[in-house]
Amino acid sequence: SQQGEEDPQALSIQEGENATMNCSYKTSINNLQWYRQNSGRGLVHLILIRSNEREKHSGRLRVTLDTSKKSSSLLITASRAADTASYFCATVLYGNNRLAFGKGNQVVVIP
Amino acid sequence: DAGVIQSPRHEVTEMGQEVTLRCKPISGHNSLFWYRQTMMRGLELLIYFNNNVPIDDSGMPEDRFSAKMPNASFSTLKIQPSEPRDSAVYFCASSSESKGGETQYFGPGTRLLVL
Repeated sequence: SQQGEEDPQALSIQEGENATMNCSYKTSINNLQWYRQNSGRGLVHLILIRSNEREKHSGRLRVTLDTSKKSSSLLITASRAADTASYFCATVLYGNNRLAFGKGNQVVVIP
Repeated sequence: DAGVIQSPRHEVTEMGQEVTLRCKPISGHNSLFWYRQTMMRGLELLIYFNNNVPIDDSGMPEDRFSAKMPNASFSTLKIQPSEPRDSAVYFCASSSESKGGETQYFGPGTRLLVL
């Protein structure tokens, strides 16, 4: 089964800076989603981008999707200490509603 | 809405014992997913149900694992007998086809330790 793969794996930034994470996948997808996981908690859905979309915004989040390169990026602008978490991308294929998760990106925002 | 509810939140058991994890999906959601998360393997989909029917159980590790969904508001994941390598965090998630079906809502997880 295909999976998203995030890069870089771990990121440490100062509060106020922007954080960018990338995700690549292997086959055609229906949509790609980003989730956040705070330590010891379940995953929380952040944003969904469909295969016919190239960019999407939600608050301080900006997601891009390049289907020709089979990659996506998640940008968090003006980071806050509360953004410290692991971020996962997940892909959904056509015809099913399974999520295939990547290994996750650990982001630490230093106050 | 209370969100997805899982119980217990923590479970410590001895090898060979039976373990039952429970999940109550969000009311009105018709898809339910069981995941396992470990440092080594990341997040793995074990099984998912649609309208209480198991659709894909290809992720279930072996016969020691079984899952049921007797009704729309309850599911169980059972491990019998448990082994130390089953130690992980087990998440339940649900989604609604009527609301697109793609976004999944996760429970807080059950942290299982098998000694």
